[in-house]
Amino acid sequence: GESVGLHLPTLSVQEGDNSIINCAYSNSASDYFIWYKQESGKGPQFIIDIRSNMDKRQGQRVTVLLNKTVKHLSLQIAATQPGDSAVYFCADWGTGTASKLTFGTGTRLQVTL
Amino acid sequence: DAGVIQSPRHEVTEMGQEVTLRCKPISGHDYLFWYRQTMMRGLELLIYFNNNVPIDDSGMPEDRFSAKMPNASFSTLKIQPSEPRDSAVYFCASKRGVTDTQYFGPGTRLTVL
Repeated sequence: GESVGLHLPTLSVQEGDNSIINCAYSNSASDYFIWYKQESGKGPQFIIDIRSNMDKRQGQRVTVLLNKTVKHLSLQIAATQPGDSAVYFCADWGTGTASKLTFGTGTRLQVTL
Repeated sequence: DAGVIQSPRHEVTEMGQEVTLRCKPISGHDYLFWYRQTMMRGLELLIYFNNNVPIDDSGMPEDRFSAKMPNASFSTLKIQPSEPRDSAVYFCASKRGVTDTQYFGPGTRLTVL
């Protein structure tokens, strides 16, 4: 039969504009959330994290927003640069000794000049 | 800090052969994770260790896959016998404690012909 690969949603933005990448999670018990960036041929790289007792956290040019009511996470990148082009994954971690990171399918960010 | 080290970076083998992937976690990290990434299924957790002990291997596809961690600085993922559907990028990641961030290695790209 025909194989179907993951169809990554793609966000295309112009250099200098702000980017917003969204993510929905399903586990209401999750209490720790991370955004990773994966460039072609490399492993996922940590960008920023947030715990469930917060709704916003800022880093250098990046901001993560957490809305626990609707189980939604977003990553905002200010003044997007060509080097920001990559696939971005959100991941969440639930409580419990057997807990482990659950990764979303990812969003591809393309920065145009 | 050298980061997580994986070897080999690329492996091409024929169906039926044994494949061994290697990982050296970041020094001082007591959790180690093995992931597989494919276009079909995205990033999947195969197994993780805490203090060299396997905690959750529910993601290991079948008996052909096995993982060991003989000491705190070395882990292997073995596939025997390998099949074409095992072709993927395999990542190793490590972290210091339960709430710490996972840091990924560069991955091993496996091609089984």
